[in-house]
Amino acid sequence: DAKTTQPNSMESNEEEPVHLPCNHSTISGTDYIHWYRQLPSQGPEYVIHGLTSNVNNRMASLAIAEDRKSSTLILHRATLRDAAVYYCILRAYGANSKLTFGKGITLSVRP
Amino acid sequence: EAGVAQSPRYKIIEKRQSVAFWCNPISGHATLYWYQQILGQGPKLLIQFQNNGVVDDSQLPKDRFSAERLKGVDSTLKIQPAKLEDSAVYLCASSSGTAGTYEQYFGPGTRLTVT
Repeated sequence: DAKTTQPNSMESNEEEPVHLPCNHSTISGTDYIHWYRQLPSQGPEYVIHGLTSNVNNRMASLAIAEDRKSSTLILHRATLRDAAVYYCILRAYGANSKLTFGKGITLSVRP
Repeated sequence: EAGVAQSPRYKIIEKRQSVAFWCNPISGHATLYWYQQILGQGPKLLIQFQNNGVVDDSQLPKDRFSAERLKGVDSTLKIQPAKLEDSAVYLCASSSGTAGTYEQYFGPGTRLTVT
């Protein structure tokens, strides 16, 4: 599975935008970029995924670089509830493709 | 829509004892996964079921771990005998498809402590 690189941690202020970076220089043409997050003492939660174009949903936006070697998860207005570990994962297109989690980035939100 | 249910939420056992975890996936989800998450690490896939058949169990320590999904709905994961290094959170997830575009829905997990 192609690997991703994320910073270990990031801090943000409540009600400000947050940009979480992810590098994936060995991405293949059929790999989807997935983001999951894990709140304390909970299971992971799907956030968003994309292939080439930028994506928006009610939780976040995903900005994908033109060469697809990096991406950024954007939380438009951080809340205390957004404090979590965020995982950037490459997942192959085909059947039975795996979600291979790394260590993720720990986001702290200051009130 | 009800989420993925798991029980128990917490379990403490001594090494060499056996333990079982139960998972009920989201209704209609044919694909079920068990993950192990050791403290400070991301979840690691142990086994994937499609209906009642095993798709991938390459990372399941088969000498002590077993899992079944007899009727293609709920599933149990068993450890016998447990070792200290099995202390972890065991997560169950389900999905309506297996391709890379499908999201997985996770349960709250079972925290196992082996003493």
